[in-house]
Amino acid sequence: EIVLTQSPGTLSLSPGERATLSCRASQSVSSSYLAWYQQKPGQAPRLLIYGASSRATGIPDRFSGSGSGTDFTLTISRLEPEDFAVYFCQHYGPSPPKTFGPGTKVDIK
Amino acid sequence: EVQLVQSGAEVKKPGESLKISCKGSGYSFTNYWIGWVRQMPGKGLDWMGIIYPGDSDTRYSPSFQGQVTISADKSISTAYLQWSSLKASDTAIYYCARHPDGGTPSPFDFWGQGTLVTVSS
Repeated sequence: EIVLTQSPGTLSLSPGERATLSCRASQSVSSSYLAWYQQKPGQAPRLLIYGASSRATGIPDRFSGSGSGTDFTLTISRLEPEDFAVYFCQHYGPSPPKTFGPGTKVDIK
Repeated sequence: EVQLVQSGAEVKKPGESLKISCKGSGYSFTNYWIGWVRQMPGKGLDWMGIIYPGDSDTRYSPSFQGQVTISADKSISTAYLQWSSLKASDTAIYYCARHPDGGTPSPFDFWGQGTLVTVSS
């Protein structure tokens, strides 16, 4: 089973700043199967990025994903007030379980 | 409009059984996998398992195999998650979510609103 770790656990930033979130896999994974989700309090998660770097429908271009092998990154170029949330990565490869990382909380500094 | 509408919050006692539901609409229910994801209070997301309503092919996480049962009734576009004997540690929000069956693995592209299950004596 692939284990995902995310860092940092919490990222304290101001609106307008750049956010860089990390997701590391316990073994090399296909970048085709790496996704990022955003979850706001009291809401279900929302798909942001799939295939490591493709934005889901309706996702603003300030969100970008990159990486390969074991190291992946979600970048928010300029934080908007609505971007303060928890972000989870997920490996959704062919075999279950399709694990999630523990999450990174982006909060207002 | 795609919708996954989950059943309402439940309060149960340890040892009781429970079945919660997730009804899909606005898309072809039998062409998408439906998955279940647990979120314990203040915690992250736990992938539990998925079902393909077209043929009821079901896959479980080893952590949840034998602990829950996932099923679906394609005639009413509804998937289910059930427990035969709840424990206090089953207290969580449970989300259903869909992903397409396109021959290659896909992420969850649409989620239900979540069902809060509280198990307490």
